[in-house]
Formats: sequence, C-alpha cells, structure tokens
Amino acid sequence: EIWLTQSPATLSLSPGERATLSCWASQSVTSSYLAWYQQKPGQAPRLLIYGASSRATGIPDRFSGSGSGTDFTLTISRLEPEDFAVYYCQQYGGSPWTFGQGTKVGIK
Amino acid sequence: VQLVQSGAEVKKPGESLKISCKGSGYSFNNYWIGWVRQMPGKGLEWMGIIYPGDSDTRYSPSFQGHVTISADKSISTAYLQWSSLKASDTGMYYCARQSGAGGYLYYPMDVWGKGTTVTVSS
Repeated sequence: EIWLTQSPATLSLSPGERATLSCWASQSVTSSYLAWYQQKPGQAPRLLIYGASSRATGIPDRFSGSGSGTDFTLTISRLEPEDFAVYYCQQYGGSPWTFGQGTKVGIK
Repeated sequence: VQLVQSGAEVKKPGESLKISCKGSGYSFNNYWIGWVRQMPGKGLEWMGIIYPGDSDTRYSPSFQGHVTISADKSISTAYLQWSSLKASDTGMYYCARQSGAGGYLYYPMDVWGKGTTVTVSS
C-alpha cells in the first residue's frame, strides 16, 4: 500500500497570494497516476488535477500540478476567495488507491 | 453525467444496510465506480471499486470483509452494503466514477455523488 503524506496540514494565506501544497508518497507512484481534489464544507470532492499535471475539465489555469516519482506539488498561483478549501492528493496507480490526509487552505 | 445517491440512514449497531448510487447520462456499464468514506471531520478513505460491466470488484484491505460492493447494470446502480454495522461505520459515503471508459483500472475519480450520511448509534 502506498502512503501519501501531505504538507503542511494547514496553510493560512490571503486572497491573491500563491499557495504551494506538497504530497509525498512512500514509494514511487506508477506512471504519475497522482490526482488532486478540492473539497469545500458540505460538498463532495472535485477533481482538479490528474496524471500529476493535467487539469481536469473546467479547472482554472491558476491551478497547476507538478512532480513525479514520490514528490508532487499543487500550486495555486493567485488565491481567489472560492479557493479556500481542503485539498487532497490521491494515487490511483496501485491498489488500494490511497488519499493523503489533506491540506486545509484557510484565510489569513 | 451524474451520480445520485440514496438518502441519509440512521441505524443501530448490528443492523444491516445497503446504500445505492445511480448513474445517468453516460454508459454506466463501461466505467468503474468507486466508494469513498469520510468519517466526521476526517479525510477521504478509498474503500473499493466495481466495474458494472462484469462486476469485477477490488477492495481496500482496510474494508475487505466488512463491506460488500455490488452493481446492477440493468438499472445503472451500484451498491455498498454492510451485514452488521458498527458505530465506527458512522460517516459520509461517496460514490464516484473513474474517468476512463473500458476495463482499464487506472483513472482518477471525475464525477462524484453528493454522498450518503450513515449514522450508527444505539
């Protein structure tokens, strides 16, 4: 089983600032099968990034993903008010699929 | 394209339960459907997936033996069931479609249901 560790647990930023979220895997993620999801309170998760760096349909270009192997990053270039949420990474390259524990991006 | 989940449930420990997830707007048989648990105030946990076309099912070791995932392709519906609930099963359960058509397993989850809240309490 691949364990995913996200850092930091909480990020306090202001609108307009840049957010950098990290996700480390306990072993290499096959073919960069790494996704990022956004979850707002009371809502289901939403797919943002797949394949480590490809944006899902309808996702603004201020969201970008990078990385390979065991180290992955989600960057939000300029935070909009609607971006304050919890973000999860997920690997789907090996069963069981696993999620990181989440990073909460809160308003400073 | 949407997944519509069944309504909230309140059960007692030891009772059985089956919740559902109905797909529409796409070829239900050709996309893997997964289940994800979120305990109150906690993160996401992947439980397992099923391919409705042939009912091929995979489970997380953490949930194997405690839940059963099934599907009825004739009515485009996937199910998650428990034979004996525990208080620790309390949480929100999401179904989600894996994004690629066909039997290939390795896709992210692109369409999510709104979730079914399960409360288990004596």
